[in-house]
Amino acid sequence: QVQLQESGPGLVKPSETLSLTCTVSGGSISTYYWTWIRQPAGKGLEWIGRIQSSGITNYNPSFKSRVTMSLDTSKNQFSLNLTSVTAADTALYYCARRRQQLGGDWFDPWGQGTLVTVSS
Amino acid sequence: DIQMTQSPSSLSASVGDRVTITCRASQSISSYLNWYQQNPGKAPKLLIYAASRLQSGVPSRFIGSGSGTDFTLTISSLQPEDFATYYCQQSYSTPRTFGQGTKLEIK
Repeated sequence: QVQLQESGPGLVKPSETLSLTCTVSGGSISTYYWTWIRQPAGKGLEWIGRIQSSGITNYNPSFKSRVTMSLDTSKNQFSLNLTSVTAADTALYYCARRRQQLGGDWFDPWGQGTLVTVSS
Repeated sequence: DIQMTQSPSSLSASVGDRVTITCRASQSISSYLNWYQQNPGKAPKLLIYAASRLQSGVPSRFIGSGSGTDFTLTISSLQPEDFATYYCQQSYSTPRTFGQGTKLEIK
């Protein structure tokens, strides 16, 4: 059974770069697409983007050019970098596996989430 | 971006009740609609994908329906563990977008 675990600093200073890693266990990262989603405290869910095993990425335009995703197949991990962070980037960050079928896709399973606070 | 609007935003119900949550898309998304359940302090959990297909292991009291712009999630007989927040999500186009959530509370 595939499991995901996010890791990274819980506190990032404004204007700096948020860097998170998601470690996948119970399955190969080379098989699926992988996704990052965030949730500000008490608010809804925001899709950040996805990366496929080939390294091809799709990002939410709302993040403009601030976001980069990558993967490390040797470690079965994928990563998120978000530059020039502000307080608005404070959120619970989730990684998830993208499944697809019948032309659509969905996210399952999800990691437990990691809280990132942007503050000086 | 496709806007997803859920109603109601919150709902009070009792164990055993039948409840329905609605999700409306700002444009037609065919059947590319998923539902998730989120308990406090937990990650979202997939319940329904492709509008009506029950994820493996999810109880059959969760029923999804709809196509085009209007979708519903029905819980046929509420159980104590069902009191949570529910989100819809479209996979018709990028960026993927979610509804704002519906919080289901115990009456």
